[in-house]
Amino acid sequence: DTEVTQTPKHLVMGMTNKKSLKCEQHMGHRAMYWYKQKAKKPPELMFVYSYEKLSINESVPSRFSPECPNSSLLNLHLHALQPEDSALYLCASSQDRGTSKFFGPGTRLTVL
Amino acid sequence: EDQVTQSPEALRLQEGESSSLNCSYTVSGLRGLFWYRQDPGKGPEFLFTLYSAGEEKEKERLKATLTKKESFLHITAPKPEDSATYLCAVQGNRDDKIIFGKGTRLHILP
Repeated sequence: DTEVTQTPKHLVMGMTNKKSLKCEQHMGHRAMYWYKQKAKKPPELMFVYSYEKLSINESVPSRFSPECPNSSLLNLHLHALQPEDSALYLCASSQDRGTSKFFGPGTRLTVL
Repeated sequence: EDQVTQSPEALRLQEGESSSLNCSYTVSGLRGLFWYRQDPGKGPEFLFTLYSAGEEKEKERLKATLTKKESFLHITAPKPEDSATYLCAVQGNRDDKIIFGKGTRLHILP
């Protein structure tokens, strides 16, 4: 099973809302990632978790808050977002930090 | 600074017309070079990982090759369902980041 699942598929939220994106994998991977992708652009790295510890934060604004409750789950908590945060949010995982990375289908986020 | 450049930006081919996509890279100590296929509105689909110069990998109509400066994704006798954006990415030895190129939008005409 080489599947990464993400929920919800679509999310519409206002600028004052609090919401969370969820990501799950059952491949035993120990590295998990959040990416943001705008239309017709490549994915941009946001966060990297390695063995459930945050190893990279790409200077992401504090309105995005990642959480890794266990080795299979990765959350992204959203609060007070701006319309320019609207994008496709992708989760990925890999067995280790240097190996092949498998992406989930993404959550399409729209901030009104 | 690590960099990935993909060419061409877009490519239109007739069904059955073979071609190659290029990925040129600069990285401090290559840990891996990755090829992905992405359909509109979906997550990237993993295709290949290449680790060292001279390595080649194949999957159906796709073949990826690697030199010390670039990688090629060869598409043999493509079909319309091969139409997608193909992304190349590299990871160096410095950290856990992977750097993506801007992609090549491939359109196969029936």
